Amino acid sequence: AQLVESGGGLVKPGGSLRLSCEASGFKFSDYHMTWVRQAPGKGLEWVSYITGTGRTIHYADSVRGRFTISRDNANNFLYLQMTSLRVEDTAVYFCVREMGSGGGRDSWGQGTLVSVSS
Amino acid sequence: AIQMTQSPSSLSASVGDRVTITCRAGQGIRNDLAWYQQKPGKAPKLLIYDASSLQSGVPSRFSGSGSGTDFTLTISSLQPEDFATYYCLQDHSFPYSFGQGTKVDI
Repeated sequence: AQLVESGGGLVKPGGSLRLSCEASGFKFSDYHMTWVRQAPGKGLEWVSYITGTGRTIHYADSVRGRFTISRDNANNFLYLQMTSLRVEDTAVYFCVREMGSGGGRDSWGQGTLVSVSS
Repeated sequence: AIQMTQSPSSLSASVGDRVTITCRAGQGIRNDLAWYQQKPGKAPKLLIYDASSLQSGVPSRFSGSGSGTDFTLTISSLQPEDFATYYCLQDHSFPYSFGQGTKVDI
């Protein structure tokens, strides 16, 4: 399994950004996916979750109403649309397959850095 | 939201030491707890899932225990490559939540 995030970069407060995570090496639609972030020098923060079908979605309170998770199972992509970005959204964003699951199902990407600054 | 309180926040230990990290959940989470190891600049690596099940390929010196609200990660004999930060994760109910992390210095 391989997960490769992209789309990070520098954006001004109030701006928008869309992160992508390209999955390969497994049947993408069979797995639920999660976004986790880590601010510089800080701990891990769970951000959002989506089931394999995309029918069930959950968000952290800190991003609800501003971030939208989605997936394209035909092309093996996971997305995170981020709007109304704040300085405190600055972090490395990780795409994770089946976070916390055993049997080799848990798999993480390398992360993509989002910097929100004026 | 379930708060996860992890302790200590940091510790210093020597090679060969037995190390214990604890995680307390704000409410019962059965055994829906995982432990991760993270090294600088790298993605976290799953060590333990379902509170006590060892992830394939993880050395047997790592073990997890607990159920309900109190959980423990134990490294039976610390090795130089175990220098890292360790996080607990509750995946019992949304929003999922991590502990604050424990940095282990060798």
